[in-house]
Amino acid sequence: EIVLTQSPGTLSLSPGERATLSCRASQSLSNIYLAWYQQKPGQTPSLLIYGASSRATGIPDRFSGSGSGTDFTLTISRLEPEDFAVYYCQQYGTSPPITFGQGTRLEIK
Amino acid sequence: QAQLEESGGGVVQPGRSLRLSCAASGFTFSTYGMHWVRQAPGKGLEWVAVMSYDGSNIYYSDSVKGRFTISRDNSKNTLSLQMNSLRAEDTAVYYCAREVGQYSYGNDAFDIWGQGTMVTVSS
Repeated sequence: EIVLTQSPGTLSLSPGERATLSCRASQSLSNIYLAWYQQKPGQTPSLLIYGASSRATGIPDRFSGSGSGTDFTLTISRLEPEDFAVYYCQQYGTSPPITFGQGTRLEIK
Repeated sequence: QAQLEESGGGVVQPGRSLRLSCAASGFTFSTYGMHWVRQAPGKGLEWVAVMSYDGSNIYYSDSVKGRFTISRDNSKNTLSLQMNSLRAEDTAVYYCAREVGQYSYGNDAFDIWGQGTMVTVSS
């Protein structure tokens, strides 16, 4: 099973700042099967990024994903008030099990 | 637009069974792989099971293997999860989720999620 470790656990920033969230895999994701989700309190997770760097439909371009191998990054270029939430990375490799990281909480400073 | 709606959650005693359903609408259900994902109160996301669009590929997490059974009825646009021998640690919100691409076999991200149904296992 591939273990995903997200850092930091909590990130405190102000609106307008840049956010950088990290996701490290315990083994190489050879086909870049890495996604990022946003979950706001009391809401369902929503897909932001898949294939490590492809934005899902309707996702603003301030969200970007990068990385390969074992190290992946979600960057939010300029934080809006609605971006403060919990973010999860997910690997969906060539065969299950699919795994999620433990999440990064992005909070208003 | 594409929607998923779960039902069947509730409070159940340890060792008992429960069946969850997920009704799909607004897309061609029979062409998408479908998953169950759960989230314990205050915790992160945990993948549970997947069935490919045609039912040929089925996988489970180790934590539910042998106790849970995923199934689908493409004629009724419905995904199900039969949960047997329930344990306290199965307490969670259960989401059904659709894969991004059509005709994939369980190796895709999830672009449509239901609102979830709460399962509480307690005596």
